[in-house]
Amino acid sequence: EAQVTQNPRYLITVTGKKLTVTCSQNMNHEYMSWYRQDPGLGLRQIYYSMNVEVTDKGDVPEGYKVSRKEKRNFPLILESPSPNQTSLYFCASSLYGDQPQHFGDGTRLSIL
Amino acid sequence: EDQVTQSPEALRLQEGESSSLNCSYTVSGLRGLFWYRQDPGKGPEFLFTLYSAGEEKEKERLKATLTKKESFLHITAPKPEDSATYLCAVRENQGGKLIFGQGTELSVKP
Repeated sequence: EAQVTQNPRYLITVTGKKLTVTCSQNMNHEYMSWYRQDPGLGLRQIYYSMNVEVTDKGDVPEGYKVSRKEKRNFPLILESPSPNQTSLYFCASSLYGDQPQHFGDGTRLSIL
Repeated sequence: EDQVTQSPEALRLQEGESSSLNCSYTVSGLRGLFWYRQDPGKGPEFLFTLYSAGEEKEKERLKATLTKKESFLHITAPKPEDSATYLCAVRENQGGKLIFGQGTELSVKP
């Protein structure tokens, strides 16, 4: 089954404790992206990757890191999480950047 | 600045009462406008892509249209199962950024 898999689905952690949210897709897609979704602000793009080893900033990249060492995986790293990064995070992928994206089921992150 | 604005923020309809959702955009060059549906607790699900002014796409009770400044999602004779948040997103000409609107929360009552 074609899918985008995020882990974990839920995480409660504390300020400053490094964490990684993994994202994997099995569709051989070139393009992958991370978003955060907050009430009243909608979906905002954090980082995206047009293909392996190429990543670019979205609209809200501060406090996040990503890497794209292989096509299927695109982890989101929070080196020193802060409470303002509490949010619902989505990973998505598409064959190319101008194609419709497939979204994962989301990761709800709470940083205390 | 590139921007995507959706209206209304929320829409309540009776079953069978047709209506339209609006997505206005300002980007330097459009490389695609996307409509998604999002159910509570789920990731967005793709509905339509529109690439050029005048283009229309249809799927069951939904029809999406595109002009040079906005897109409409027309819902004909909606049913309760059409209740969801509908998101519009725009891909600009340069780079791979995708800009989302804030969404329209649609509620259809039987």
